[in-house]
Amino acid sequence: QVTLRESGPALVKPTQTLTLTCTFSGFSLSTSGMCVSWIRQPPGKALEWLALIDWDDDKYYSTSLKTRLTISKDTSKNQVVLTMTNMDPVDTATYYCARIQRGSGWHPFDYWGQGTLVTVSS
Amino acid sequence: VIWMTQSPSLLSASTGDRVTISCRMSQGISSYLAWYQQKPGKAPELLIYAASTLQSGVPSRFSGSGSGTDFTLTISCLQSEDFATYYCQQYYSFPPLFGQGTKVEIK
Repeated sequence: QVTLRESGPALVKPTQTLTLTCTFSGFSLSTSGMCVSWIRQPPGKALEWLALIDWDDDKYYSTSLKTRLTISKDTSKNQVVLTMTNMDPVDTATYYCARIQRGSGWHPFDYWGQGTLVTVSS
Repeated sequence: VIWMTQSPSLLSASTGDRVTISCRMSQGISSYLAWYQQKPGKAPELLIYAASTLQSGVPSRFSGSGSGTDFTLTISCLQSEDFATYYCQQYYSFPPLFGQGTKVEIK
């Protein structure tokens, strides 16, 4: 059974760095083709893809946010960590991690965490 | 970069109605399109992938069609549990992009 769970602070101040952890089970990020991604959703708005890390430690970032994002993994702990620097109130959103697989091409996001709401406010 | 247009943004319907949601791409993506359902306060759930393949456990009243640039999600007989927001997502090329969402509300 595949599960993912996000954890991190519910409230951060402007200019601070956000660190979120995705802890997953039911699959291994050392398995060829496995990837974990971060996606966010501001209140009442659409989904926005942020970053992805794959089994080979290749990393991909949203073009508009790449200077602020870092994604990493700890395969032994089944965790993926996302950091986002210089947080702003517009970054207030629910942050999701999701599993995605890659073979000859990409696949859809088949499993999602429940999401964690992060509010940016002084 | 591929652009997506999902429509309508809001759809008012009654239980038992047949509803369709459209997703149009700025360039062809073959059948690399997924549909998700999201209920308030919950994470999105994968409904359909490869444009028309139902994810395991998804009721058969949901169907997807299309290829290339034009795609459709159809709910044949709307049930109370189907009132939610639906998103399309292309995975033909990177980055993966989501549509703007269609909220299906009770008429």
